[in-house]
Amino acid sequence: DADVTQTPRNRITKTGKRIMLECSQTKGHDRMYWYRQDPGLGLRLIYYSFDVKDINKGEISDGYSVSRQAQAKFSLSLESAIPNQTALYFCATSDFTAGYGYTFGSGTRLTVV
Amino acid sequence: KNEVEQSPQNLTAQEGEFITINCSYSVGISALHWLQQHPGGGIVSLFMLSSGKKKHGRLIATINIQEKHSSLHITASHPRDSAVYICAPQGAGNKLTFGGGTRVLVKP
Repeated sequence: DADVTQTPRNRITKTGKRIMLECSQTKGHDRMYWYRQDPGLGLRLIYYSFDVKDINKGEISDGYSVSRQAQAKFSLSLESAIPNQTALYFCATSDFTAGYGYTFGSGTRLTVV
Repeated sequence: KNEVEQSPQNLTAQEGEFITINCSYSVGISALHWLQQHPGGGIVSLFMLSSGKKKHGRLIATINIQEKHSSLHITASHPRDSAVYICAPQGAGNKLTFGGGTRVLVKP
């Protein structure tokens, strides 16, 4: 099993729908992140969490919300999806025990039509 | 101006050639990551370094903190090295800032 698992891998949804992307990890890392990647742009940070009760906005948090349900789970929600949220979404983890090295999930390709 | 600049943006090499990818950054950092993204989209962490040089197989990463510059070298390149390579300085709060990536194609 992958250390960082994202579900779903691919999703097509309609404008205005609520959608949740899920991330779970078996690394035991305390820090979790959600990034999006658009063609021609680098990855950009949406939200991050350093612990279960810690949630922080990244550079592009508008239109998104997150939930850290447990140390191992970090979910990203799009409350009302819009077409410009079509992107590749990555969850990642890091931890001081790993020297803050990062582990990435395989990504979720989201298309909003 | 981007905080992280990678060059070149695209690179085509013949199998066996030596490849160098450069990364310059303007932010203060505690470390710098080199990531590899294959056509399928998954991202793999290759290196995390804060000084000097690291080597893993045919890959070598160097960093000069004073000059705010890092390089990734691929020796004896192989078609399976074809991927996008991303430089990501790690700054305050251990957050990453990402370069735009270098698309590498190694032809047999």
